[in-house]
Amino acid sequence: DAGVIQSPRHEVTEMGQEVTLRCKPISGHDYLFWYRQTMMRGLELLIYFNNNVPIDDSGMPEDRFSAKMPNASFSTLKIQPSEPRDSAVYFCASSLFPAGGYNEQFFGPGTRLTVL
Amino acid sequence: DQQVKQNSPSLSVQEGRISILNCDYTNSMFDYFLWYKKYPAEGPTFLISISSIKDKNEDGRFTVFLNKSAKHLSLHIVPSQPGDSAVYFCAASEKGAQKLVFGQGTRLTINP
Repeated sequence: DAGVIQSPRHEVTEMGQEVTLRCKPISGHDYLFWYRQTMMRGLELLIYFNNNVPIDDSGMPEDRFSAKMPNASFSTLKIQPSEPRDSAVYFCASSLFPAGGYNEQFFGPGTRLTVL
Repeated sequence: DQQVKQNSPSLSVQEGRISILNCDYTNSMFDYFLWYKKYPAEGPTFLISISSIKDKNEDGRFTVFLNKSAKHLSLHIVPSQPGDSAVYFCAASEKGAQKLVFGQGTRLTINP
């Protein structure tokens, strides 16, 4: 398996522009997570999906952020308009959560976003 | 409101010695704990975990200790090797929960 795939790996944009980050989870995984990594707060959960349905978006910082999962093999995280404080590394992760079991998440390589 | 805290941003250890990374949590409902390892330009990868019914779990050179009364866990690496240089994240979840709560990470550097 190729693992979780994210694109682009690097994104540099100017303030006010729209940014779209993409993720392909591991085939067969039914949970998908979007995280943001910053020095101050470490890995923050932004939103997660189960079977393509958003379950918890309480970590989404504000209305400028939105996420979709149109099918089991694709998800997007969009920032519109982008601001310099959005600069961070964004990770996508997926998992197969066994009933009554514990959740080991598999992470993609991340997208480093720089907003100028 | 940081429910999982790693108070040491960085740690430097000599090759061959023991590395001890620490993690504290505040949520008494957490019952499963994980450590992830992250190299530069890569995503975090799972390293080792422990359930709250145990106080120790060992996997080769890696051992995780859990002290529930103190709400503290630690990762021991013995002996430390240069390839262990990475950022280590502590994470926790409540029973049956899909969410993991991560700490800020500790950058471990192993010096030859």
